[in-house]
Amino acid sequence: GAGVSQSPSNKVTEKGKDVELRCDPISGHTALYWYRQSLGQGLEFLIYFQGNSAPDKSGLPSDRFSAERTGGSVSTLTIQRTQQEDSAVYLCASSREGPASYEQYFGPGTRLTVT
Amino acid sequence: AQSVTQLGSHVSVSEGALVLLRCNYSSSVPPYLFWYVQYPNQGLQLLLKYTSAATLVKGINGFEAEFKKSETSFHLTKPSAHMSDAAEYFCAVSPRGDKLTFGTGTRLAVRP
Repeated sequence: GAGVSQSPSNKVTEKGKDVELRCDPISGHTALYWYRQSLGQGLEFLIYFQGNSAPDKSGLPSDRFSAERTGGSVSTLTIQRTQQEDSAVYLCASSREGPASYEQYFGPGTRLTVT
Repeated sequence: AQSVTQLGSHVSVSEGALVLLRCNYSSSVPPYLFWYVQYPNQGLQLLLKYTSAATLVKGINGFEAEFKKSETSFHLTKPSAHMSDAAEYFCAVSPRGDKLTFGTGTRLAVRP
């Protein structure tokens, strides 16, 4: 079956511009996560959506970062006024609800380069 | 708060040799523990997970890990390395099985 998909696969943007990254989770998965992978910080949790509950935003590094999940499916991560330190690979993952939810399925990531 | 320490950012073994990748964790509650693998230019793939059932966990591709509470460790092993095992391996911890805290990763090289 289809896995987690992310778009675009690569994004180059100028410092100060806004960017939107998209994640399509596996159909039927109620939990959706965003992580960031960078050389300096490794793999970091950003935000977590579970069903209709309020998202866990505890990992967002600044108020320039936001995310939404529409209709319990597709999610968009938005970075406003991008900075060079935002350059990283942004990974999305999804999982089922319940005991099987311990397994997160990751997408291929979006590589963001801020010039 | 929880954290993960992976000893050795780079490990090199010969093909056919034992693979041992070390992971130690700290957690304020009994944790869920995971090992993920990342092949070049690919996303993360779950190798195995510990969710408070058996302490010896078997995963895909012949890997296994043992949860040792007294040592706060969850080391990953494979009896015989294969060239295709060359990748980066991440240990992760989660107090509730949801958001993950990752270690810094260990890059495994396999020599012919």
